[in-house]
Amino acid sequence: EPEVTQTPSHQVTQMGQEVILRCVPISNHLYFYWYRQILGQKVEFLVSFYNNEISEKSEIFDDQFSVERPDGSNFTLKIRSTKLEDSAMYFCASSDQTGGQETQYFGPGTRLLVL
Amino acid sequence: AQSVAQPEDQVNVAEGNPLTVKCTYSVSGNPYLFWYVQYPNRGLQFLLKYITGDNLVKGSYGFEAEFNKSQTSFHLKKPSALVSDSALYFCAVRDRGNFNKFYFGSGTKLNVKP
Repeated sequence: EPEVTQTPSHQVTQMGQEVILRCVPISNHLYFYWYRQILGQKVEFLVSFYNNEISEKSEIFDDQFSVERPDGSNFTLKIRSTKLEDSAMYFCASSDQTGGQETQYFGPGTRLLVL
Repeated sequence: AQSVAQPEDQVNVAEGNPLTVKCTYSVSGNPYLFWYVQYPNRGLQFLLKYITGDNLVKGSYGFEAEFNKSQTSFHLKKPSALVSDSALYFCAVRDRGNFNKFYFGSGTKLNVKP
C-alpha cells in the first residue's frame, strides 16, 4: 500500500539554524499538508499546498516557515531560523482530492528538537 | 471557534470487552468527522470517516463510530477489543465551509490488557 514518507525521522538543531524537513507524498496525490504536534498537545494544521501554491495557512505559519515542491516527488517544509518553541513532531500529509470529504494520509513524522 | 474534545486521556479495557473512545466537537454547520490511530513511531493511520448518510460508520480493523448530531458526538467503538488495538486515537473534524484545515482532538491512549 502506498505510504507518505518523511526524512529525517529525528533532527536536532541549534536555535537560529535553518532546517528543511522532507516529505514524499503518495505518488498520484495532488494536495499536500503540514501539521505539527508539540509534545503533549494537539496536532495543529500549518499549511496546505496545491498546484505549487499555498492554499491555506494557519496563524502558526509565519514568515519563518516556507514550503516548496522542488521536484515531482518531494514536498519540503523549511524553518528559516528555528526557535526553541519550534520543537515538535512535524507530520506531512497528502490527498488525491480536496473538498473536505477526502482522506488525508499522514507520514510517520519528523521529530525536531531545537536546543 | 472550531474545536474537538476527547475527554479521556486514557481508556483501559480488557481484551475481548467492548471499547468506546469518546469524541465531541464544536463546528459550525455540518462537519466531516474522522478517526485516526497512531502506533508508536508511526504516522496517523486513517480508520474511518463520516461524510453523510447512515450515522453508523464502519471502518478498518473492526472499528465503527456513530455520528450523533444532537449530542455533537462521534464516539469510536469496537465490540471486542484486541491487545493489538492499544494505541493513541485521534478524532478530527473538518468544517464543510473551510475544509482545508483539520481540527484534531488531544488524543486518547487506549490500553487493552490481556
